[in-house]
Amino acid sequence: AQTVTQSQPEMSVQEAETVTLSCTYDTSESDYYLFWYKQPPSRQMILVIRQEAYKQQNATENRFSVNFQKAAKSFSLKISDSQLGDAAMYFCAYRSSQGGSEKLVFGKGTKLTVNP
Amino acid sequence: DTAVSQTPKYLVTQMGNDKSIKCEQNLGHDTMYWYKQDSKKFLKIMFSYNNKELIINETVPNRFSPKSPDKAHLNLHINSLELGDSAVYFCASSDRGGMNTEAFFGQGTRLTVV
Repeated sequence: AQTVTQSQPEMSVQEAETVTLSCTYDTSESDYYLFWYKQPPSRQMILVIRQEAYKQQNATENRFSVNFQKAAKSFSLKISDSQLGDAAMYFCAYRSSQGGSEKLVFGKGTKLTVNP
Repeated sequence: DTAVSQTPKYLVTQMGNDKSIKCEQNLGHDTMYWYKQDSKKFLKIMFSYNNKELIINETVPNRFSPKSPDKAHLNLHINSLELGDSAVYFCASSDRGGMNTEAFFGQGTRLTVV
């Protein structure tokens, strides 16, 4: 079974600075998908960024980028120019590409605090 | 228009009661899910349906019964509620065969059993 590990329960960053959230996963599959979701205090789960395992290029979405190291099974999220609105729980998630296994497996989350 | 909507947002009920949470998606997705988020914020899959067919059932007590009348709806019925059922329940949907593989989530239902 796949597992996802987020080793940083809490992180803090100064506004306008850069922060990196760590995520590692365990799988025997070669093709899969990885995601970072953000959960602000409103409770809504918001997709931040998506990475397909077959793509070597790291995904980027504006101030958010990932460092995907497939061999190391590592998928870290970098937030540049941090803003107060980035404060939230961040969840790393794994999704199999195999039919019938489309569930998301989540890490335990990292609580990000942004200091003004 | 809300893509994935679930009702109610908050539910407070007594032990032993039976309650339902409803979920609807207007994204045209063929797969819907129920996830449970516990007090430590850990999210875990409960059920998954594809075109009204149960695909995933993750060792959930049989007091929990999902029902999918059509592929746009997935409801969750819970019998004989227990204190340990208190959690946030999220409905989600995705397109199994589509290019975009992410799941879209509803706003969650906070269930409190007293």
